[in-house]
Amino acid sequence: QVQLQQSGPGLVKPSQTLSLTCAISGDSVSSNSATWVWVRQSPSRGLEWLGRTHYRSKWGYDYADYVKSRITISPDTSKNQFSLRLNSVAPEDTAVYYCARDRTSTGGFDYWGQGILVTVSS
Amino acid sequence: DIVMTQSPDSLAVSLGERATINCKPSQSVLQRSNNKNFLAWYQQKPGQPPKLLIYWASTRESGVPDRFSGSGSGTDFTLTISSLQAEDVAVYYCHQYYSLPQTFGQGTKLEVK
Repeated sequence: QVQLQQSGPGLVKPSQTLSLTCAISGDSVSSNSATWVWVRQSPSRGLEWLGRTHYRSKWGYDYADYVKSRITISPDTSKNQFSLRLNSVAPEDTAVYYCARDRTSTGGFDYWGQGILVTVSS
Repeated sequence: DIVMTQSPDSLAVSLGERATINCKPSQSVLQRSNNKNFLAWYQQKPGQPPKLLIYWASTRESGVPDRFSGSGSGTDFTLTISSLQAEDVAVYYCHQYYSLPQTFGQGTKLEVK
């Protein structure tokens, strides 16, 4: 059974960096049959795909244009986890942030982290 | 970006009755090379992450009750709950994974009448 456990602060000051981690059990961040994604959800913007990482002989990354200049997703094979860093946050980045597994063979996000509400406020 | 438009925004259905939710992508999500529609449906209950119900537009995820079904192709899709149960009260989302950025519908809130 795959489980994703998220960790990180729930409060970030404007202009600072949001950092979250997603620890994977029951699968590998280096799996060839999965892609690891970050999604956020807010009342004003709904569900938003932020980006992903995957390993296919080498690491690949894709980011949404609306955060591309600010986002980094990093895998950590030693800890079997992946992380999200979002720089220069503003109040509109306030959202529940989720990590999820994108099942490559069929598409669709079949496992999700529990979600962390991150509030951007001074 | 592909815009996903769901209708209605909210829906109230009596227990045991049929519930139908529509999703219209702004462009086709059908991949002609394998004739697969790159569309999924999720159920989200308060305080929980979304739960995958359907992928490839019509394939039920393992463990999902067979009262849930998906249909459609191209730019017109439907999620149907054949006989509403109390535990089906939730918000439902469609999701396209045909192109990046992957996008979601705005959600349809399903309640019991």
